[in-house]
Amino acid sequence: QKEVEQNSGPLSVPEGAIASLNCTYSDRGSQSFFWYRQYSGKSPELIMSIYSNGDKEDGRFTAQLNKASQYVSLLIRDSQPSDSATYLCAVLSGGYQKVTFGTGTKLQVIP
Amino acid sequence: DAGVIQSPRHEVTEMGQEVTLRCKPISGHNSLFWYRQTMMRGLELLIYFNNNVPIDDSGMPEDRFSAKMPNASFSTLKIQPSEPRDSAVYFCASSSQGYEQYFGPGTRLTVT
Repeated sequence: QKEVEQNSGPLSVPEGAIASLNCTYSDRGSQSFFWYRQYSGKSPELIMSIYSNGDKEDGRFTAQLNKASQYVSLLIRDSQPSDSATYLCAVLSGGYQKVTFGTGTKLQVIP
Repeated sequence: DAGVIQSPRHEVTEMGQEVTLRCKPISGHNSLFWYRQTMMRGLELLIYFNNNVPIDDSGMPEDRFSAKMPNASFSTLKIQPSEPRDSAVYFCASSSQGYEQYFGPGTRLTVT
């Protein structure tokens, strides 16, 4: 079992719709959770971090964490073509700051 | 802040040659990470340093790879000898207190 799992996609949504990206993780002791966006040919860019159960909103982005289910998600409201990218879920667990990345979900927003 | 700086941005070399990748972390960050990204394997952590000390190098593929961090503002990743299967994009990232990591632009390595 992979430590951090994501559906590779592509996930296609029409412009203006809500995109829902999901991630599961295996280590129950995981402490911190991150979402990165990576455009083709570019480096990963941090867009959201979440540390406690519940929702965290930042503009059009909402991160949701459920530690009991070992599940973290990212919602993108009013999706725009510029949101088309690969979204990487990352989980911090253990000591010394080791972060494990999922393989990413490719999102395509159709105009 | 200038962000994480990596050099070179592109490197093309022949099999058997030594390759050195360089990274300057964000000033004030105490952790530095080297990653490799390929289509097949995604983003893999190679090694990370905390306060200039290597903490976990279990991701380093083999003895041909080595990394150093002689001071808080500089790190190198060396491959000697290089092989075609080392072709990938290598990212350096830094963080403060081990939470949010910020990535450099990456070095695209091609070994022919």
